[in-house]
Amino acid sequence: AAGVIQSPRHLIKEKRETATLKCYPIPRHDTVYWYQQGPGQDPQFLISFYEKMQSDKGSIPDRFSAQQFSDYHSELNMSSLELGDSALYFCASSLGDRGMNTEAFFGQGTRLTVV
Amino acid sequence: EDQVTQSPEALRLQEGESSSLNCSYTVSGLRGLFWYRQDPGKGPEFLFTLYSAGEEKEKERLKATLTKKESFLHITAPKPEDSATYLCAVQAFGQGNLIFGKGTKLSVKP
Repeated sequence: AAGVIQSPRHLIKEKRETATLKCYPIPRHDTVYWYQQGPGQDPQFLISFYEKMQSDKGSIPDRFSAQQFSDYHSELNMSSLELGDSALYFCASSLGDRGMNTEAFFGQGTRLTVV
Repeated sequence: EDQVTQSPEALRLQEGESSSLNCSYTVSGLRGLFWYRQDPGKGPEFLFTLYSAGEEKEKERLKATLTKKESFLHITAPKPEDSATYLCAVQAFGQGNLIFGKGTKLSVKP
C-alpha cells in the first residue's frame, strides 16, 4: 500500500540558509500535518492543512512557512536556519479534518542537520 | 492544557516477560487516543486508535485498553523485534493534530 513520501530523507544546511521539505500524502488523503522531533523528544506539531487551506497552527516559528498544493502535496519552507532547527521533520496524512478524520499515517521523515 | 504522560520512560524486558506501558492524559474532550511504534530514525508507525472508555484492541502480542484517564499497552510474551519506542498521542475534539507523550523506550533481550 502507498505510504506518505517525504523528500529529501537527509538534508545538511548551514546556518542562515533556507531549506524546503516536501511531503506527498497517501492517495486520496486530503489532510497533511507537519511535526518536528528533536533528539530524544516527542513529535511537536507545527502546522496542518486541509483541502489546501491551513487548518491548525502549532509551535511553528515565524521563519517557517508551509502550503498545500492542488495535488495535495505539501512543502515546508524554512528560512534563516538555526542550529536548533536540526531535527527530524515528519509529515503525516489523513482523510478528513478536525476530528472527522481517520488515523494519521506518518512518513519516514527528513533529517535536517544545520551546521 | 492538554497533556500526555507516559511511564515508564524506559523498560527492559526479557524475551517472554509480559508487561504494560502506561499513558495518562488530560484533554478537554477526547476524540481519540492513538498508539504508535517508532524505531530509531524512522517515522511513527500506527498501531491502534481507541475512542471510548472500556474499548480494547489487539494486534499480535499487543493489546491496548482505555479508561477515562489513561490507556495501557499490554505486551504479552514480547520478542526482541518488539524493541522500539512506543508513543501515545491524543486528539481533542475540534482539532486535527496529535499531542504526543514522550514515549516509552522498550528493550527486549533474548
